Amino acid sequence: QQQVKQSPQSLIVQKGGISIINCAYENTAFDYFPWYQQFPGKGPALLIAIRPDVSEKKEGRFTISFNKSAKQFSLHIMDSQPGDSATYFCAASRGGSEKLVFGKGTKLTVNP
Amino acid sequence: KAGVTQTPRYLIKTRGQQVTLSCSPISGHRSVSWYQQTPGQGLQFLFEYFSETQRNKGNFPGRFSGRQFSNSRSEMNVSTLELGDSALYLCASSLAGMTAGNTIYFGEGSWLTVV
Repeated sequence: QQQVKQSPQSLIVQKGGISIINCAYENTAFDYFPWYQQFPGKGPALLIAIRPDVSEKKEGRFTISFNKSAKQFSLHIMDSQPGDSATYFCAASRGGSEKLVFGKGTKLTVNP
Repeated sequence: KAGVTQTPRYLIKTRGQQVTLSCSPISGHRSVSWYQQTPGQGLQFLFEYFSETQRNKGNFPGRFSGRQFSNSRSEMNVSTLELGDSALYLCASSLAGMTAGNTIYFGEGSWLTVV
């Protein structure tokens, strides 16, 4: 199975709140899990990524939590800001390939 | 350092025509891949090239083809365009490391509208 399932499809959060986006995968051969942020009219930009030998990775307000046994990973955005309003995609790949399998995306709206 | 550059940014084609899209990877990157993005299907992998050789291919019909040149630049071609080919076509590049964690950078994309 090559699928990566992402939820929720859309998310509305108040400024200062925590945004949480979840992803689940089937293929245990995946060994790289990036998150991309995409603004309207722009290409996806790498936000943060994790490998399965690590359970958590934090970069500024963004944290990835990874649960290898459950085959799930999630993105937490702390202190969400209106400028974080964008579509977020989780993805997975294996063996250094550029073949990324993407989730369907989550449209995040952060209200002021 | 310049990012992934795609041309043209916008184009309109008629059904049955063919289109060629170009991509210049980040300097030093040897691997290039292409994705199609649509509201319904999301981001779907088309193909990946390394050293002028196709390394991976997604589930797209043979009308979709690509190639990579010796300077790592890449082109993709779609022949006999259909209305459903209207999409944002994204090019990505990486250093092509064969270990996990190969960071992949995307360009701004080429918006194709088929009428």
